[in-house]
Amino acid sequence: DGGITQSPKYLFRKEGQNVTLSCEQNLNHDAMYWYRQDPGQGLRLIYYSQIVNDFQKGDIAEGYSVSREKKESFPLTVTSAQKNPTAFYLCASKTRESGELFFGEGSRLTVL
Amino acid sequence: GQSLEQPSEVTAVEGAIVQINCTYQTSGFYGLSWYQQHDGGAPTFLSYNGLDGLEETGRFSSFLSRSDSYGYLLLQELQMKDSASYFCAAFSGGYNKLIFGAGTRLAVHP
Repeated sequence: DGGITQSPKYLFRKEGQNVTLSCEQNLNHDAMYWYRQDPGQGLRLIYYSQIVNDFQKGDIAEGYSVSREKKESFPLTVTSAQKNPTAFYLCASKTRESGELFFGEGSRLTVL
Repeated sequence: GQSLEQPSEVTAVEGAIVQINCTYQTSGFYGLSWYQQHDGGAPTFLSYNGLDGLEETGRFSSFLSRSDSYGYLLLQELQMKDSASYFCAAFSGGYNKLIFGAGTRLAVHP
């Protein structure tokens, strides 16, 4: 079955540690996205990528980094520079022509 | 700046009709989307309006007026399972940058 896989689903880390969240899709989608969601809030765009080896900052990119070395993969690193990293992180993808985003099940990061 | 405004909460009873409004301010507007999210889950796509007018998909309809920078999601024959958060989202500054509103929490009561 085609879809988007995020891992891990739950992650606990100590303050000051970098964390990498995985996002893999087998939908052959060109564009991929990372969003952050805090409790009771909307989705805020961190980074997005339209093609391999290219990505753009969203509205809250500070303290995060990404790479897009393969079409299928768009990992997100939450660095120690991110002041409040505890949140629900959602990866999504879409085709170039479509208005519909497909989401993974999310990764819930808790920094202790 | 870029922003989408929608009510924070709406309450309705089973079988009723509810309308969730969304006003937007974005540069390079390409269209308005709607997503549903149940607690703890991932958002799922409901509809997309690229042009003015009404789009109907089963019990859900979505409307867009570009001249008013306004859209709405209409949910008919409400069911308990429709209790969720609903987000409007707009493509801004290109057909790949999607920005979300803060969401409307819909509670459906018996």
